[in-house]
Amino acid sequence: DIQVIQSPSILSASVGDRVTVTCRASQSVDTWLAWYQQKPGKAPKVLIYRSSGLVSGVPSRFSGSGSGTEFTLTISNLQPEDFATYFCQHFSATSPWTFGQGTKVETK
Amino acid sequence: QVQLQESGPGLVKPSETLSLTCTVSGGSLIGGDFHWSWIRQPPGKGLEWIGQVYDTGRDNYNPSLQSRITISVDSSRDRFSLSLRSATAADTAVYYCAIYFAGGGGRGYWGQGTLVTVSS
Repeated sequence: DIQVIQSPSILSASVGDRVTVTCRASQSVDTWLAWYQQKPGKAPKVLIYRSSGLVSGVPSRFSGSGSGTEFTLTISNLQPEDFATYFCQHFSATSPWTFGQGTKVETK
Repeated sequence: QVQLQESGPGLVKPSETLSLTCTVSGGSLIGGDFHWSWIRQPPGKGLEWIGQVYDTGRDNYNPSLQSRITISVDSSRDRFSLSLRSATAADTAVYYCAIYFAGGGGRGYWGQGTLVTVSS
């Protein structure tokens, strides 16, 4: 089964920063990977689909890239509402789908 | 806009079956191709994919849970369910239902989640 390792687990940043979160898959998932944002007590919200597709309504400061085994989520110009936990999830048809362990973006 | 709502007992006794239903409202899913999914999140922890049923009828379950779970979709496509047998305290979690667009790479709809506690 394909495992997804997400890093870092905690990221300290300030408003206006550019932040990057990484997911590495144990085998190629092509571009079958999504990114979610979750705030306390809320359901995850999908931000990026198919590695780099921006979901309608999501601010353009969010971007995703990568293919194969390495993927990144970048938030440029971090805003106060962006402090949250971020997860990746792969959607490879050859393996049960799994999530990364999560990255909490907190105030520096 | 399609909305999903999880429902079921908030408290389940150990060794009993945890049963949840996800009700779909606000739109029709007839004619589309979807993956009907369940995900859970233990308190203070990350997300765990439970499994899904495809519109083709095939299912795909988390290997660690496969022997205890069944996911089924109502023929009306306005609800689907999760059954998790022989529940233990380790199954205490917020349970989310989700419907993914087939080939959507993550696009879809999520419910708001429901907390299920396994305790005597």
